[in-house]
Amino acid sequence: ETGVTQSPTHLIKTRGQQVTLRCSSQSGHNTVSWYQQALGQGPQFIFQYYREEENGRGNFPPRFSGLQFPNYSSELNVNALELDDSALYLCASSGGRTDTQYFGPGTRLTVL
Amino acid sequence: KQEVTQIPAALSVPEGENLVLNCSFTDSAIYNLQWFRQDPGKGLTSLLLIQSSQREQTSGRLNASLDKSSGRSTLYIAASQPGDSATYLCAVQLVAGNNRKLIWGLGTSLAVNP
Repeated sequence: ETGVTQSPTHLIKTRGQQVTLRCSSQSGHNTVSWYQQALGQGPQFIFQYYREEENGRGNFPPRFSGLQFPNYSSELNVNALELDDSALYLCASSGGRTDTQYFGPGTRLTVL
Repeated sequence: KQEVTQIPAALSVPEGENLVLNCSFTDSAIYNLQWFRQDPGKGLTSLLLIQSSQREQTSGRLNASLDKSSGRSTLYIAASQPGDSATYLCAVQLVAGNNRKLIWGLGTSLAVNP
């Protein structure tokens, strides 16, 4: 158990809808990274938040957005869902002196 | 552009075998390399992290080596057990500091048969 939690576990949406995914970081960690993992693929970096500011972004369109709160928990928002957005969404918590990233169990999003 | 490749894509071995998983990366300018384990439909568990200045790291039956100049890392699993069955992914972090973006391989799917 890493102490990183994500909610919900599973989610089914239809094309065009909006979704919010949540992540609680491990105690003492001030950085949260979000990744999208399609079936059979490696994770793809979406963006990262450090102390409530976005400080890195991958090749994802603006309809993918996020927030980090003062307690360092984070949200990932996806607008205008497309079928290809169906994936496992992972958040990773890191910070302090270690570079190790601790992952949550993920949210499985299915877009119909 | 950094690319990470893992070979083989899948591996099936009898219990007790020692095995090696390979990871290669195209740009040697990395900050660290990390090995993770992923069970089906689940999140990722960090196994080993090797800083760019290090040659290897060990944890129990796992040993990971890093040859930055040749762009290669290997994960050695000794005396494999059925519980080791999972997908193993390697990832590289490019820069130090607060940007902790990881570039990932596609993983090696390992099945250890009793």
